[in-house]
Amino acid sequence: NAGVTQTPKFQVLKTGQSMTLQCAQDMNHNSMYWYRQDPGMGLRLIYYSASEGTTDKGEVPNGYNVSRLNKREFSLRLESAAPSQTSVYFCASSDFTYSNQPQHFGDGTRLSIL
Amino acid sequence: ELKVEQNPLFLSMQEGKNYTIYCNYSTTSDRLYWYRQDPGKSLESLFVLLSNGAVKQEGRLMASLDTKARLSTLHITAAVHDLSATYFCAVEKDSNYQLIWGAGTKLIIKP
Repeated sequence: NAGVTQTPKFQVLKTGQSMTLQCAQDMNHNSMYWYRQDPGMGLRLIYYSASEGTTDKGEVPNGYNVSRLNKREFSLRLESAAPSQTSVYFCASSDFTYSNQPQHFGDGTRLSIL
Repeated sequence: ELKVEQNPLFLSMQEGKNYTIYCNYSTTSDRLYWYRQDPGKSLESLFVLLSNGAVKQEGRLMASLDTKARLSTLHITAAVHDLSATYFCAVEKDSNYQLIWGAGTKLIIKP
C-alpha cells in the first residue's frame, strides 16, 4: 500500500541549478498538492491540481512550476534554485468530492540550496 | 484573508495529565482538519470536522468544532509519552481545495 510516493528524499543543490521533484499516488485521487514546510510556519501551499489537466497557484507559487502529468503524477520544478527555497517539500493527494476525506501525504523531500 | 492560529505553540506536560490545544481561524469555513507529525516524518490525518458541534474521538484524543466561534479544540486525556508529536490544524479556504495551516503545537509528554 504505497499511498503517496515522493522522490528524491534528499537533495542538495547549488544556487541557480534546476531540479524536478516527483510525486505519484496510487489511490485514484483526483486532487494533488505541493506544500513546503519551514520551521515554525506550518505548511504553505505552493500549487495544487484539482483534477487531471488543471493546475492552480497556492499561497507561495513564485519560483516554482508544476505539471500534472496524468491522474497519478504531479511534479514540482524549481527552474533556478535560490537559498530561500531550502525547505521540506510535501506532496499530498485527496478525493475532494468526498467531504469527509483528508489529504494524504508523502514522506517529503528535504531540499537544501547552497 | 483566512488566518489560522494555534495555541500554545509549545507544550510540555507530564504523563497522566489532561490538556487542550486551541485552533482559531479568522473567516468562515466548511472543513477543519487535525494532523499529527512526528519529527522528520510525514503528516498523519487524525480528524476531519465538517459541521458545527462536531465531536470526534480516537483513543485519548478528542476534537471538536464550533463554527460560530471559529474555534476547534484538540483535547488530550491522561496523556502518554507516545502522544509526543507536533499537532497541526488546517482550515479549508473558500471550499476550493486550499488548506491554510496553523503553525503547529509541539507537544512533549514526559514519562
